Amino acid sequence: NAGVTQTPKFQVLKTGQSMTLQCAQDMNHEYMSWYRQDPGMGLRLIHYSVGAGITDQGEVPNGYNVSRSTTEDFPLRLLSAAPSQTSVYFCASSYSTAHGFNSPLHFGNGTRLTVT
Amino acid sequence: AQSVSQHNHHVILSEAASLELGCNYSYGGTVNLFWYVQYPGQHLQLLLKYFSGDPLVKGIKGFEAEFIKSKFSFNLRKPSVQWSDTAEYFCAVILSGAGSYQLTFGKGTKLSVIP
Repeated sequence: NAGVTQTPKFQVLKTGQSMTLQCAQDMNHEYMSWYRQDPGMGLRLIHYSVGAGITDQGEVPNGYNVSRSTTEDFPLRLLSAAPSQTSVYFCASSYSTAHGFNSPLHFGNGTRLTVT
Repeated sequence: AQSVSQHNHHVILSEAASLELGCNYSYGGTVNLFWYVQYPGQHLQLLLKYFSGDPLVKGIKGFEAEFIKSKFSFNLRKPSVQWSDTAEYFCAVILSGAGSYQLTFGKGTKLSVIP
């Protein structure tokens, strides 16, 4: 009963480096999303997906790419890391229907990213 | 623009005190509402949710929240807090209905309970 699994837990990058944060869920959830959490800012939506092959931008998408080739996986790519991307990143998933999103999110344990 | 406001950044209470955390939203339609809790070093967990029906919603660990549509509010309450309630609390709102997939969080309220 793994739920939402994120890897790695911690990562340090140099400015300009790229990397991929992994997220996998085993609950057959259609909806998956990435949030970043910064002190005093709450959680802000980066990208989300409502099913395989479908992605869309959230509130703060710049500097990040996503893809959804399978229902289970939703990786987040940092193309060229910047110090402003230092944050804690959470992946979350949920059921969703054609009538919208009305189920609670299940969160992963987070990835703490530092960009120097 | 849609937004969620949590009035208090940091609340400090003694054990057994009553708690009320404010949450207001600015959305122009029917909404679904959530409260999440984040214990130190952990991920967010659902406390309670409101989709429709009775506006007084009961959640886990003795928490409850009241949806007041006329005030665009969804305040979280607990009659008697415990030290273990020390955590950060987030209100979240989403428009109800087809095509609505962006859940918006407030900035959070940190609760410290003193034994």
